[in-house]
Amino acid sequence: NAGVTQTPKFRILKIGQSMTLQCAQDMNHNYMYWYRQDPGMGLKLIYYSVGAGITDKGEVPNGYNVSRSTTEDFPLRLELAAPSQTSVYFCASSSRSYEQYFGPGTRLTVT
Amino acid sequence: DQQVKQNSPSLSVQEGRISILNCDYTNSMFDYFLWYKKYPAEGPTFLISISSIKDKNEDGRFTVFLNKSAKHLSLHIVPSQPGDSAVYFCAASDGGTSNTGKLIFGQGTTLQVKP
Repeated sequence: NAGVTQTPKFRILKIGQSMTLQCAQDMNHNYMYWYRQDPGMGLKLIYYSVGAGITDKGEVPNGYNVSRSTTEDFPLRLELAAPSQTSVYFCASSSRSYEQYFGPGTRLTVT
Repeated sequence: DQQVKQNSPSLSVQEGRISILNCDYTNSMFDYFLWYKKYPAEGPTFLISISSIKDKNEDGRFTVFLNKSAKHLSLHIVPSQPGDSAVYFCAASDGGTSNTGKLIFGQGTTLQVKP
């Protein structure tokens, strides 16, 4: 049971480039979330999904897109990367409305 | 507007003593509260939680207290151990009403336990 996996672990992007952060879970959880954590700050919700085919915006969705075609996968797409998107990105999943299980994170730098 | 606040960015305690981490919230609709622990270069891991219908929940060395009238919760770690050194995040959910599982996180408190 791998839990929540994220790839890549690290990435450096140039301004204007695009990329997809991958997230997968093998716990058959319906709920999945994407957060970003900036230095000295808490986790801010970017997008979330309550099941396959259903996604919704969180607190800081601008500059990002998501899709949820399967229960297991929840990729996060960055279009036209900007320095403000330099952050650590965490994916999480849960089977009910409370305890979330987090992946190890993707550290992204945009220069 | 920060709905969940951890006003102490850092805390340093001696091994064996009590660590008390505090968290304040503003939204009275929150009905479930959680504490997460995060080591460097790892994702947060769930530590302990409490429902709004309770005022205390205990799990081994960890106890969470909830004061609804003050909109305040605290995490007590007794006795503190060097392995407890980490960043602790408080989180809150209004899952009972929204049913989305969304959590609102505080800024985190870095705990250092000195041997």
